[in-house]
Amino acid sequence: AQSVAQPEDQVNVAEGNPLTVKCTYSVSGNPYLFWYVQYPNRGLQFLLKYITGDNLVKGSYGFEAEFNKSQTSFHLKKPSALVSDSALYFCAVRESGSGNTGKLIFGQGTTLQVKP
Amino acid sequence: NAGVTQTPKFRILKIGQSMTLQCTQDMNHNYMYWYRQDPGMGLKLIYYSVGAGITDKGEVPNGYNVSRSTTEDFPLRLELAAPSQTSVYFCATLITDTQYFGPGTRLTVL
Repeated sequence: AQSVAQPEDQVNVAEGNPLTVKCTYSVSGNPYLFWYVQYPNRGLQFLLKYITGDNLVKGSYGFEAEFNKSQTSFHLKKPSALVSDSALYFCAVRESGSGNTGKLIFGQGTTLQVKP
Repeated sequence: NAGVTQTPKFRILKIGQSMTLQCTQDMNHNYMYWYRQDPGMGLKLIYYSVGAGITDKGEVPNGYNVSRSTTEDFPLRLELAAPSQTSVYFCATLITDTQYFGPGTRLTVL
């Protein structure tokens, strides 16, 4: 079955420290991977994606993610966390075998808490 | 949000009532999606559409209906509201492999 797992419900980090939000996936074929962020009472905002090419992709607000095919992972990273990064983060993978529908499978989300 | 608008922002329904959640995009995109978001559960796909006149079920379609008579609009209909439909609903559109989301509708069924 195709799936996305975010093993941590919450990640706590001090401001200025590096952060990592973990994501692993299970899908056949070459994955299309995405990260979204959701601030309180707001919609989801696109951060970055991996389709092909360099395994390290850079996105909005200084975030980056590393695609690791052997570990089927796509962890979100930032070298120096800001308090304003505190939000809910979702990893998603495009569903394979469904034609060109663009359907996504989402992880359950990880709450990032950055403390001053 | 790539020009995706949703109305209303908030709504409280009584059990058994019906309502339509509106979603509109003004950029002529073919692919549109409806999700519901429940705490700790991520987003679940309700219905999607690949163009005007074409819709299909997602993972959790029961209790919902959709239509796509125009490219711009993709309304989601709840016919007989139930407490299990209390959720936040998001509409999205696909632009160059990436889904972009509207601001959401928070629905409570009492």
